[in-house]
This record gives sequence, structure tokens and C-alpha cells, in this order.
Amino acid sequence: DAKTTQPNSMESNEEEPVHLPCNHSTISGTDYIHWYRQLPSQGPEYVIHGLTSNVNNRMASLAIAEDRKSSTLILHRATLRDAAVYYCILRLDSGGGADGLTFGKGTHLIIQP
Amino acid sequence: DARVTQTPRHKVTEMGQEVTMRCQPILGHNTVFWYRQTMMQGLELLAYFRNRAPLDDSGMPKDRFSAEMPDATLATLKIQPSEPRDSAVYFCASGPPWGSTEAFFGQGTRLTVV
Repeated sequence: DAKTTQPNSMESNEEEPVHLPCNHSTISGTDYIHWYRQLPSQGPEYVIHGLTSNVNNRMASLAIAEDRKSSTLILHRATLRDAAVYYCILRLDSGGGADGLTFGKGTHLIIQP
Repeated sequence: DARVTQTPRHKVTEMGQEVTMRCQPILGHNTVFWYRQTMMQGLELLAYFRNRAPLDDSGMPKDRFSAEMPDATLATLKIQPSEPRDSAVYFCASGPPWGSTEAFFGQGTRLTVV
């Protein structure tokens, strides 16, 4: 799997937007960009994924650079419940079912009240 | 509310004992993953199955670990004999049979080997 680089930690205030960056300069044309997060004492949970176009869902937005060498996960209005470790993962779309995820260290997001 | 169920949630055992962790994937999912999480190594993929057949177990120590899927509703991860360095949180996840979409994780089994 191609490698991703994320800041170790970030801090934000409650009810403000949060932009979590991820660099993936060696991404290949068939790699999807996935984001997962892990709340304290929980298993990881899926947040969002995309290939080339920006994506929105109820949890977050994913902004993908035109050259696809970087992406940004956007939490539009952070709450204390968004405090978690956020993982940016590249994943080949093999079709026919999910393949194993390779987790890096992720970004530890701290939300201040 | 469909979810992946893991049992037990916590297990404390003595070194040398056999440990079996169980996972019930989400109904209809055809891929099951086993991960291990420690402070030092983070989340590591141990093995995964598709349609009950092992696809990749390269992350698993072969001498003491074994993973099986006796049927579509049960996956097991066994350690025999257990060692203190196996202490970790073990997560099971399942994935649907289309595309390369999301994996759904269970709550994990926290294993402590003393």
C-alpha cells in the first residue's frame, strides 16, 4: 500500500471547523482515499472515502487535491465527541469485497470546550 | 442495528494457556478481518477471510496463532500457547461483498497475558 503522512496531533475548539491534512505523494491511479477514526476504547469506524472528486456525507467532507497527492478531511463543526484518532488510508479498489486496511499512526484530534 | 460482535470483551489468562476469541460478523458480509492493536505497533492486520476462505494471514505469527471460520456467522482467533507479548486489543471487522468500501469493526477483545 502507498504511504500516507499525517500530523501526530491537532487541537481545535468546539463548534469550529477542523481540517485534518493527509499527504500521499505516491498514490496510484486506482488508490481510493479512506478515512477512519477511532474513539477512545472503541474500534475504528469508517468516516468517508473518495477517489478524485470531493465527497460529502453526514459525518464529514473530503477534499482531494487535483493531483491527488494530498487530501483534507473536514469536520464542519467539531464537538467533544469528535475527539479521536483519525486515520488516512489508501486502498486499492479490487472489487468483489473489502481488502485489509493498513493503518498508520493517524492524527490525534483534541477538541477543547 | 447491525454490528460486529466480539466475545469476550476482556480476557486475563496465564502464560501458556490457550485463548480463543470469537467474532460474529454482520449478516451478509463476506469478508472478515482480524487486527491487533498495541501502543507500540498500533493497528496491525493479522489475517482476513473472504467467503470463509483465508485470503491473507501473513501478519499472523504462525507458530502460535490460528484463525478459522467454522461457518459464515463465526470467526475465531486462537492463541496457543499464549505469551505476555500477546497482550493487546484484538479487533474483528467485517466487510460487504461489493467494491472496496467500508469495514465495520467490533468493540474488541482486550487480552492480558500474565
